[in-house]
Amino acid sequence: DIQMTQSPSSLSASVGDRVTITCRASQSVSIHVNWYQQKPGKAPKLLIHTASTLYSGVPSRFSGTGSGTDFTLTLSSLQPEDFATYHCQQSYITPWTFGQGTKVEIK
Amino acid sequence: QVQLQETGPGLVKPSETLSLTCTVSGGSFTTYFWTWIRQPPGKGLECIGYIYYGGSTNYNPSLESRLTISVDTSKKQFSLQLTSVTAADTAVYYCARYDYRGNFFDYWGQGILVTVSS
Repeated sequence: DIQMTQSPSSLSASVGDRVTITCRASQSVSIHVNWYQQKPGKAPKLLIHTASTLYSGVPSRFSGTGSGTDFTLTLSSLQPEDFATYHCQQSYITPWTFGQGTKVEIK
Repeated sequence: QVQLQETGPGLVKPSETLSLTCTVSGGSFTTYFWTWIRQPPGKGLECIGYIYYGGSTNYNPSLESRLTISVDTSKKQFSLQLTSVTAADTAVYYCARYDYRGNFFDYWGQGILVTVSS
């Protein structure tokens, strides 16, 4: 299985901060990485697909970059509703696998 | 509006079979992969497997020996059966739609917590 490793596991930030989360794949996954946001007690929601494509309806403060094994999710200006856990996921080969998640908390 | 809803028992005894059903409303049932994903308390997400409307399946090798996913297209439902469960199978179980053209999960059920305990 392809292992997806996110860093950091958690971070504290303030409203308005720029936040970057990284995800590293154990082997190349080309650009087949998606990012999801999950709030407590809720299902994940798709933010970014194919490494850098913003999903319909997602605010433009979210962006993604990367290819091969290294990927990043950036929130350009953190908003109160963005405090959540973020997951990367590779869709390159089954079994599709997720990172362990990065929890973004209020400083 | 596409909606998915998981149903099934929230408590299963060790060594017994966990059975869940996902009912899909809205949208096409024939042009997506229908997937089960689970999340143990406080942990990450794990893909269990998926089924296509025609019945072809893809299972996570770590669960394959205990797993059956089936589909009932007339009811727009798909189901999960996991045999010989242990406490390690305690998790929130989600059903989700996988768009194989875009290669992402775009719709999810709300999730159902299944606890394995005697």
